Amino acid sequence: QQQVKQSPQSLIVQKGGISIINCAYENTAFDYFPWYQQFPGKGPALLIAIRPDVSEKKEGRFTISFNKSAKQFSLHIMDSQPGDSATYFCAASIGISGGGADGLTFGKGTHLIIQP
Amino acid sequence: DTAVSQTPKYLVTQMGNDKSIKCEQNLGHDTMYWYKQDSKKFLKIMFSYNNKELIINETVPNRFSPKSPDKAHLNLHINSLELGDSAVYFCATTGSGNTIYFGEGSWLTVV
Repeated sequence: QQQVKQSPQSLIVQKGGISIINCAYENTAFDYFPWYQQFPGKGPALLIAIRPDVSEKKEGRFTISFNKSAKQFSLHIMDSQPGDSATYFCAASIGISGGGADGLTFGKGTHLIIQP
Repeated sequence: DTAVSQTPKYLVTQMGNDKSIKCEQNLGHDTMYWYKQDSKKFLKIMFSYNNKELIINETVPNRFSPKSPDKAHLNLHINSLELGDSAVYFCATTGSGNTIYFGEGSWLTVV
């Protein structure tokens, strides 16, 4: 049973455009929702995270939108740049930072390509 | 200094062999993990270790065993390697209320 569903699997966006990646979760006990960015040959790195008590969080060009009733959250990348080309993973966990015993439950990832 | 370092980065080995992947963290964190990333890039937790105690063990074959000689290290031992074990293995670590930090991964290929 996949507890975090991510879409789309791949995404191509023109430079300067908005990239949008969506995730849906099933376990209502989840209370921490991070997005990780992974470049080829590297480990995942935390990009931005949100807790369910807020509906939106913005850090620079990256914004998480969170809809608790729908059990959905999304990542928006504004003014997308070629350097943003990477694989993006949404995740969820029980525990403020994902540092609990269960760790992070990941979505299947989105391969994002930003065309110059 | 790399916060979470793994060795080796690449490992090619034959079926049936026993191998180990080492992980060291210099962040002083209490909890360490092993994650597996398969060929489709799906990341799944394998083990969680806190203060030398195994906290969680997902549906991972008992051929896999984590061993922590001290708080800064969590090594992954794999016995009787199978073709399906080919994957990227990531060590990760977190402290109280902190982010999970991942190492750069160890690419295991079983032939």
